Amino acid sequence: GIQVEQSPPDLILQEGANSTLRCNFSDSVNNLQWFHQNPWGQLINLFYIPSGTKQNGRLSATTVATERYSLLYISSSQTTDSGVYFCAARSGTYKYIFGTGTRLKVLA
Amino acid sequence: NAGVTQTPKFQVLKTGQSMTLQCAQDMNHEYMSWYRQDPGMGLRLIHYSVGAGITDQGEVPNGYNVSRSTTEDFPLRLLSAAPSQTSVYFCASSYPIPGQGSDTQYFGPGTRLTVL
Repeated sequence: GIQVEQSPPDLILQEGANSTLRCNFSDSVNNLQWFHQNPWGQLINLFYIPSGTKQNGRLSATTVATERYSLLYISSSQTTDSGVYFCAARSGTYKYIFGTGTRLKVLA
Repeated sequence: NAGVTQTPKFQVLKTGQSMTLQCAQDMNHEYMSWYRQDPGMGLRLIHYSVGAGITDQGEVPNGYNVSRSTTEDFPLRLLSAAPSQTSVYFCASSYPIPGQGSDTQYFGPGTRLTVL
């Protein structure tokens, strides 16, 4: 089955800094999503992005399907951006495979 | 809309006990799924359903049963709890996005289960 790897595993930023999170997947996908898990455990859908680029405020994401990776950009980071960022990929059936996440801490 | 709700929020079981984790959604979503989250391992799919009466296994189905008698509800049953099932359990629902062949998932708040 498809495998999903995320990097870096941990990231510490000063408030206001920019960051790039990476998600590599082992096979072609028909669905790629990014999620944020806040410090209280709630999972929030950020982007559905099997290909191309999308932006939502300070966040943007790009997926290059032919090279099997996706990037999540966070600009001007804020303390509320802290938490764990997951990507999840699906190939064919409904089965989603999650990466192990990037744990982000933004310092004030 | 309440979205996706899960009960209970916390549960402690003894080895061998059985219990049902409840999940309900009020968004008329066709797809529902159960995940478990263990430290350092991300989320792993346990079981999923693409509609009432239709269920299938995910990555880690052993020790769990599901059924989907209505669109709204998707309970997860632990038949004989084991310490290895200590985890945080998330339920999710989603719907197909017309014209995109895709779906976006909405997650419940989770159930933290400890098996002693």
